[in-house]
Amino acid sequence: ETGVTQSPTHLIKTRGQQVTLRCSSQSGHNTVSWYQQALGQGPQFIFQYYREEENGRGNFPPRFSGLQFPNYSSELNVNALELDDSALYLCASSSQGASRGNTIYFGEGSWLTVV
Amino acid sequence: AQRVTQPEKLLSVFKGAPVELKCNYSYSGSPELFWYVQYSRQRLQLLLRHISRESIKGFTADLNKGETSFHLKKPFAQEEDSAMYYCALKVTGTYKYIFGTGTRLKVLA
Repeated sequence: ETGVTQSPTHLIKTRGQQVTLRCSSQSGHNTVSWYQQALGQGPQFIFQYYREEENGRGNFPPRFSGLQFPNYSSELNVNALELDDSALYLCASSSQGASRGNTIYFGEGSWLTVV
Repeated sequence: AQRVTQPEKLLSVFKGAPVELKCNYSYSGSPELFWYVQYSRQRLQLLLRHISRESIKGFTADLNKGETSFHLKKPFAQEEDSAMYYCALKVTGTYKYIFGTGTRLKVLA
């Protein structure tokens, strides 16, 4: 069973640019969620995808968008990057259903630095 | 408001001493609470969840709805317990987790 994998592990972008982060969900999982973790903070929920549709979103502006593909992998896109977007971006996957008892499994994250 | 509060950024204890990592929550529904741990250079991973009422690596956590708390406890700390610990609340019917800011536990020899 393969775990959640993310790419790239580190990247540096300039303010105003756009970035795409990628995530492959754990084998057998069809739900993907994305979190932003700023330095010294806990992860903050960005959004989640199920069956290729966004079905839950946190307090993030529209320039944060995503996709989920038929193989359940996912992308996080951030447009018009700002300095405050510098953070660790975590992807998490889970199996079908958000019932009690189901849990999520995290990838190692992508470190984004905006300069 | 939905919120998870971990009041301690850093907790240092000696090996063999008891450990209690505090977590308080604010949630209007029936809470589903978790503790996640991140060891050095490793990914965030589930430690335990309240509905399982389990003990993992000697850690336990009891949900106290009256005090809205879910403190993590271990009677005798080990050096390998040194890590970052996050308390998290799962929003009912979704995969949205609300995390606290985390507590770094340092177990001293």
